[in-house]
Amino acid sequence: AQSVTQLDSQVPVFEEAPVELRCNYSSSVSVYLFWYVQYPNQGLQLLLKYLSGSTLVESINGFEAEFNKSQTSFHLRKPSVHISDTAEYFCAVSDRQGGSEKLVFGKGTKLTVNP
Amino acid sequence: DGGITQSPKYLFRKEGQNVTLSCEQNLNHDAMYWYRQDPGQGLRLIYYSQIVNDFQKGDIAEGYSVSREKKESFPLTVTSAQKNPTAFYLCASSIRPGAGTDTQYFGPGTRLTVL
Repeated sequence: AQSVTQLDSQVPVFEEAPVELRCNYSSSVSVYLFWYVQYPNQGLQLLLKYLSGSTLVESINGFEAEFNKSQTSFHLRKPSVHISDTAEYFCAVSDRQGGSEKLVFGKGTKLTVNP
Repeated sequence: DGGITQSPKYLFRKEGQNVTLSCEQNLNHDAMYWYRQDPGQGLRLIYYSQIVNDFQKGDIAEGYSVSREKKESFPLTVTSAQKNPTAFYLCASSIRPGAGTDTQYFGPGTRLTVL
């Protein structure tokens, strides 16, 4: 079974600074990878996903993530963060068990952007 | 507007009582999911359903029950057998059952507190 490790539980940064949220998964067998974002007291929203093709995927609000098969990583980056990026970010991998696909989530990284 | 609704947003119950959390979607999605979120623990899968009148246990099904009598509805009952029910509960759906590439769409969540 797949597992996901998010190496940092909390990341504080200043506004306009770059940020990297780290994510590693357990297996390099064909994988589908996702980043979801959760604003306080809300559900999760998809930020971006890697299915195949180009290893660099981008979101509409300036985040990007790079699939690295050799390092089994899918780190999320943004070159310049805004206060509004303050949220919790979850990395997830699709895991096939018993004939069905399920999402396995990491424990999340709380990003706090300070003025 | 298409989406997933969960009600109520906040729910309080006394120890030993069963309680049912509502989840409705008008996205015409086949698959639906229930997750439990605890601080610092990420999301853990409780139950999922790939088609009407069928559902499977997730990783932490003990003390919970579900039904899927209609495509758009997937209510979760937290029974008195659940030893630590206080948590944030999230419902999600995706277009196709068992497709690892599909995005999951989340409801706003229900925060359950046991007094």
